[in-house]
Amino acid sequence: AQKITQTQPGMFVQEKEAVTLDCTYDTSDPSYGLFWYKQPSSGEMIFLIYQGSYDQQNATEGRYSLNFQKARKSANLVISASQLGDSAMYFCAMREGNTGFQKLVFGTGTRLLVSP
Amino acid sequence: DVKVTQSSRYLVKRTGEKVFLECVQDMDHENMFWYRQDPGLGLRLIYFSYDVKMKEKGDIPEGYSVSREKKERFSLILESASTNQTSMYLCASSPTGTSRYGYTFGSGTRLTVV
Repeated sequence: AQKITQTQPGMFVQEKEAVTLDCTYDTSDPSYGLFWYKQPSSGEMIFLIYQGSYDQQNATEGRYSLNFQKARKSANLVISASQLGDSAMYFCAMREGNTGFQKLVFGTGTRLLVSP
Repeated sequence: DVKVTQSSRYLVKRTGEKVFLECVQDMDHENMFWYRQDPGLGLRLIYFSYDVKMKEKGDIPEGYSVSREKKERFSLILESASTNQTSMYLCASSPTGTSRYGYTFGSGTRLTVV
């Protein structure tokens, strides 16, 4: 079974609008972490935002926010006021457990295209 | 600035060749990882290492091996390259313990096997 599911292969948004990228996850571990990464066409993976399973509030980092719905096991990324430079692949990832070693499982990604 | 450096951005190799992909990190991280990235499949873990000379198989280790002789360096080896190993390869590192930043990634190596 997929541990991380990203159902949107591609998304389009106009500049300055908000966009939501979906991510659902599957785990029975009560302790886990959820990450979003951005991958521009240059290839490097850029960390965007993190949500811990015990965090009381939804994470925010500038224009990025994470809509964390624990009961639904979803961790959607919201990008407000999209910019042309936001065009990239976006990956959701999960770390299970809270021990000394962390291994991330990634989704299949969503390609976001921001148009002028 | 902390970095994970992959030795090549683009590589073209012939079928049957032995291929080495090198990754070096300067953050004194204990953990290092090799993933391959294919369209529609996301990132899949090939091998990882949590200490010098230690290695563990990931989800798709077949056809690959790794070497970690020094803490800062983690090499991925394709013993006999095949066309189905044409892919983007990403190296990453992380410290021991949980981190709110997850991994630090290299820029990737796009390997083409002809």
